[in-house]
Amino acid sequence: EDQVTQSPEALRLQEGESSSLNCSYTVSGLRGLFWYRQDPGKGPEFLFTLYSAGEEKEKERLKATLTKKESFLHITAPKPEDSATYLCAVHSGNTGKLIFGQGTTLQVKP
Amino acid sequence: EPEVTQTPSHQVTQMGQEVILRCVPISNHLYFYWYRQILGQKVEFLVSFYNNEISEKSEIFDDQFSVERPDGSNFTLKIRSTKLEDSAMYFCAKARASDEQFFGPGTRLTVL
Repeated sequence: EDQVTQSPEALRLQEGESSSLNCSYTVSGLRGLFWYRQDPGKGPEFLFTLYSAGEEKEKERLKATLTKKESFLHITAPKPEDSATYLCAVHSGNTGKLIFGQGTTLQVKP
Repeated sequence: EPEVTQTPSHQVTQMGQEVILRCVPISNHLYFYWYRQILGQKVEFLVSFYNNEISEKSEIFDDQFSVERPDGSNFTLKIRSTKLEDSAMYFCAKARASDEQFFGPGTRLTVL
């Protein structure tokens, strides 16, 4: 069964304190790993897609990396506006459905 | 400009009543999805819709649920007889193919 596990569940950082979020996955034939940002009461906002081990993508203070078993979302010098829940998901099956992890809630204090 | 809009933003209903949640994808895509998120829990897949047909549905998507694309633009999720446990955020998403899905802002459904 395809599965996604994220850690930690919650993370508190001081502004400027870099860190990483982890997403471990088991899926039969990875066809895409996705990172989303979700603000309270809102829909997931697309950040990155990664397709193969070794792939990396960057956007502002965020950098996503992928291995055969896990993905990391690195946050460099975070700001308070980076506070949100970060969701990891994988494509499962042939219809493109996403299997989500439970998310990591990041709080960045000024 | 949002990729997907959903109405209503919040729906309150009595247990046993029917609700229809609406989604309007702003631009042309081929794949449509409904997900739900119970408060404090994971986002869960409900159903995928391609070429005006259901392509996959989860165990959650039982006979009480149905989806339609009645006029080629709107995409609806109907729950025939709501239960307390149907209270959740419902998200519509669209994709061109097996790539990134763009989510709407969600409808918060509260069943009393």
